[in-house]
Amino acid sequence: DAGVIQSPRHEVTEMGQEVTLRCKPISGHNSLFWYRQTMMRGLELLIYFNNNVPIDDSGMPEDRFSAKMPNASFSTLKIQPSEPRDSAVYFCASSSKSLTQGNQFLETQYFGPGTRLLVL
Amino acid sequence: AQTVTQSQPEMSVQEAETVTLSCTYDTSESDYYLFWYKQPPSRQMILVIRQEAYKQQNATENRFSVNFQKAAKSFSLKISDSQLGDAAMYFCSNFGNEKLTFGTGTRLTIIP
Repeated sequence: DAGVIQSPRHEVTEMGQEVTLRCKPISGHNSLFWYRQTMMRGLELLIYFNNNVPIDDSGMPEDRFSAKMPNASFSTLKIQPSEPRDSAVYFCASSSKSLTQGNQFLETQYFGPGTRLLVL
Repeated sequence: AQTVTQSQPEMSVQEAETVTLSCTYDTSESDYYLFWYKQPPSRQMILVIRQEAYKQQNATENRFSVNFQKAAKSFSLKISDSQLGDAAMYFCSNFGNEKLTFGTGTRLTIIP
């Protein structure tokens, strides 16, 4: 199992440019999360999908950010236009649910390695 | 490679009791940081506590404390006087060499 795959691993761009971050979740996982990590605000949830449908995008900072999940094996996070304050590490995670012995659903979340974005 | 392992997918504790969540990690870095994050049903990540690897003293934040065993690469979280609001997923993570790695989480249930 390759785990959650993110690309690129590093991105350096100039202010005003469009940035697209990509994520391939673990096969069979039906939930996908995008997080942003900065020193100032820690780890923030931006958006998450369930069965390719966006469930909660209240964490998306502003209209410059958009996320899509066209199919179960691929998601993108786009920033257009990018600004220096968008510099951060962006994590993608996917999760699976299993039934416990107590007949409860237990979700296990797997994080990707992250994309380090620097906007100059 | 940097890894974080949380071997307890779920834990439960009686309200007002104490519970300990386990975390082990592996890193080749000599300088790193360890974190515990809480993720309630809202899915937002809340930083609970952090520990600098160079500090021998265990970090404490109110009812939350850690048992940091550097030689054993163990970083457990102790929650005292558990409250209903503590129910959440808890993620252990390691930051070293500009790389942040997460465990797969432990779901904590508080029994009233």
